Amino acid sequence: DAKTTQPTSMDCAEGRAANLPCNHSTISGNEYVYWYRQIHSQGPQYIIHGLKNNETNEMASLIITEDRKSSTLILPHATLRDTAVYYCIAVLTGANSKLTFGKGITLSVRP
Amino acid sequence: GAVVSQHPSRVICKSGTSVKIECRSLDFQATTMFWYRQFPKKSLMLMATSNEGSKATYEQGVEKDKFLINHASLTLSTLTVTSAHPEDSSFYICSAMDWRTDTQYFGPGTRLTVL
Repeated sequence: DAKTTQPTSMDCAEGRAANLPCNHSTISGNEYVYWYRQIHSQGPQYIIHGLKNNETNEMASLIITEDRKSSTLILPHATLRDTAVYYCIAVLTGANSKLTFGKGITLSVRP
Repeated sequence: GAVVSQHPSRVICKSGTSVKIECRSLDFQATTMFWYRQFPKKSLMLMATSNEGSKATYEQGVEKDKFLINHASLTLSTLTVTSAHPEDSSFYICSAMDWRTDTQYFGPGTRLTVL
């Protein structure tokens, strides 16, 4: 699976959009980009995933560049409960779907 | 999203005893489940892949005789930490693959403390 790189940390103000970047320059054509987050002392929570097209659900939007070498997770209106470590993972789906967690990016939402 | 439960959420045991952790997919069938371990301030590390009706596949460096995995049904996988020692103290997390959406959903985790 392709390696992903994320900044170590970022913060944003409550109520504002949080834009979390991820680089995956070696991603292959059939690897998806998945985002999970982990709030302290809990299991990871699935957020969203995509292949080529931008995706949106009730939690977030995922913007993937046309060359697929990077993506951005957007939390449109961050709340204090969104403070967590966010993981961007590039992975093949199907029988080889092993998720490799890096260090992720720590998002701190400030009041 | 799909729901995965783990039991117990927290366990404290004496060195040398065995501890069983259950992982259940509550609203979907999961032929494949995964077990991870997370040490303080570290990221999740995959320990093994559990396939219903067959033997688990362990990652390099994970002792299969120490971490026994059983996946006897489409909704339940168990991890037994045998002869636990203090160095096995960790946060153990399972996930279940929902093939309908090609997405792994995670349980809430089990905090194991071995005295």
